[in-house]
Amino acid sequence: GAGVSQSPSNKVTEKGKDVELRCDPISGHTALYWYRQRLGQGLEFLIYFQGNSAPDKSGLPSDRFSAERTGESVSTLTIQRTQQEDSAVYLCASSLGGRGPYEQYFGPGTRLTVT
Amino acid sequence: AQSVTQPDIHITVSEGASLELRCNYSYGATPYLFWYVQSPGQGLQLLLKYFSGDTLVQGIKGFEAEFKRSQSSFNLRKPSVHWSDAAEYFCAVGQLINNNDMRFGAGTRLTVKP
Repeated sequence: GAGVSQSPSNKVTEKGKDVELRCDPISGHTALYWYRQRLGQGLEFLIYFQGNSAPDKSGLPSDRFSAERTGESVSTLTIQRTQQEDSAVYLCASSLGGRGPYEQYFGPGTRLTVT
Repeated sequence: AQSVTQPDIHITVSEGASLELRCNYSYGATPYLFWYVQSPGQGLQLLLKYFSGDTLVQGIKGFEAEFKRSQSSFNLRKPSVHWSDAAEYFCAVGQLINNNDMRFGAGTRLTVKP
């Protein structure tokens, strides 16, 4: 079956512009995660969705970052008024939900460059 | 909240040599532990995971890891490294409470010398 997909694969934007990143999780996966990976660094947790529960937004670095998820499907990560420090690869992952730390399946990422 | 520490940012080993990547976690209950690999330009792939039972777990590509509760560690090992093992390795810890979010370590970059 299809894996996690993300679009666009690459995005170059000017400082101050808003961007939207999209994630399509694996069908049936109720949990969805967004991470940020700056060049040469590890994964930084941003936000977590589980079914209809309130999302865990504890990793969002500022109020310029927000994310939505429609039911148990597509999610969009929005960055408003982008800054150069937002340049990174944004990874999305999904997993089976419920009680249990299931394996996360990662998408290929969106490489964001803010000029 | 749980956290993960990977003390080694970068490790270089010769092809054919043994490998051990360190991972220490902080969590009050029984952790659920994972190792992922990220090859250059590719996404993350699960190598192995520990939930319970035998503390020595086998994974793909000849990797294994041992859970040591007394040391709060989950080190990754491979007896003989291949050039294709050069990649970034991430340890992660999950929990079983109200949600199942995971936290990742900062990663260890492995370079393999010919």
